[in-house]
Formats: sequence, structure tokens, C-alpha cells
Amino acid sequence: AQSVTQLGSHVSVSEGALVLLRCNYSSSVPPYLFWYVQYPNQGLQLLLKYTTGATLVKGINGFEAEFKKSETSFHLTKPSAHMSDAAEYFCAVSPLPIYGGSQGNLIFGKGTKLSVKP
Amino acid sequence: EAEVAQSPRYKITEKSQAVAFWCDPISGHATLYWYRQILGQGPELLVQFQDESVVDDSQLPKDRFSAERLKGVDSTLKIQPAELGDSAMYLCASSLEPSGGQETQYFGPGTRLLVL
Repeated sequence: AQSVTQLGSHVSVSEGALVLLRCNYSSSVPPYLFWYVQYPNQGLQLLLKYTTGATLVKGINGFEAEFKKSETSFHLTKPSAHMSDAAEYFCAVSPLPIYGGSQGNLIFGKGTKLSVKP
Repeated sequence: EAEVAQSPRYKITEKSQAVAFWCDPISGHATLYWYRQILGQGPELLVQFQDESVVDDSQLPKDRFSAERLKGVDSTLKIQPAELGDSAMYLCASSLEPSGGQETQYFGPGTRLLVL
């Protein structure tokens, strides 16, 4: 079964500093990859996704992620953190249908809570 | 901007009682998902509908949980009887059409359930 590992349940950065949130997936065949953000007591909002094509994906709010097949990683970065970035971030994969699971089913990591210090 | 609607936002109940959650997906979205998110964890799929049909309920505890989407639009998730371990956030999401897993899922605000 496919799984997603997010290293670090909590990450704290200073405002203006680089944000790096790590995500690794377990699959010999790259699945589709997503990053979602969740603000307190709210649902999840898509930041970006990788399906095919360019391995550097740009998303909303200045975030981007790079798909690295050799490292089975899809780390999320932002050059300069803003106070409004404080939230929980989830990496998710959508397994290819031939590897089981329903079409479109998302498998989420446990999340990384980002704190931004002034 | 169209959104996924869920109600209630918060629900407190006693164990052994019945609870129900409602979800109205974005208009035109054929696929509807119910996820459960335990505090400190990522969401886990409970059930997936394509129009009015269930396409995946393998993780739904069918002895106490049921879900329906009778007309292929809005959906209800029910728990009867509720147990302490059911305390969680229940998230509904919808997507336009299946496209091999590439489609974006749009999430509602969730229903936070507390079972006492």
C-alpha cells in the first residue's frame, strides 16, 4: 500500500525566512502528488499538484514544490515566510488505479504544523 | 466562488446516540468524498461516491456508519451508535469528474464531532 511520510510534525521559522516542508512517498511508480493547507477549524485548500510534465510546480501564495523521482520526494518551499502562512500542511498522493485504491482517492501524510515567528 | 457546504459545523453528542452530517458539493461535481480526520492526523477516506453510486467504502465501519447520496447531489453520513473513538473532524470533498486521480478535490469546512 502506498504511504506518505512528512518529516517533522512541527516546523517553526522566522518571518522572512525560507520555508521547507518535507514529503516522501513510497511507490516504485510515481503517483500524482498534492500539497494542501489547512487553517484552524477549516477544510483543506489545494496549494499545488504534480501530475505530469515540469517537475517544479508553482502554487498559490508563493509556494512551490519539486518532484524528485530518484528521491521519491515532493518537498514544499517558499522563499520568504509570512505570518499568514502559519497553518497545517498536508502532502497527499493519488495512487494510479492499477495499483489499487479507488480512482481519485487521496492518501494523506500526518501533516506538518508551520509556525511563523515575528 | 462555489464552495462545498457542510452542516452542522460542530456537534456534541453522547455515546450510543445517532448523529448525521450533511454535505452539499459544488454544483456539477460528480464525485463526492467523505473523510475522517482524527486530531493530529491527516484525513482518511471513508467513502467515495460517483454520482449516486458508492465506488469505495472499504474503510467505512459499516456496522455503525452509513452514507447515502440518493439523487447524486447532496450526501448524508450517519453514525449509529456513536462511540467515543468517533470524535474527529468529518470532511466532505467533491471533484468534477474522475480523471485518473489528477482531479482536484475541493473540501468543505468540516463537521467537528465530539462524543462524550
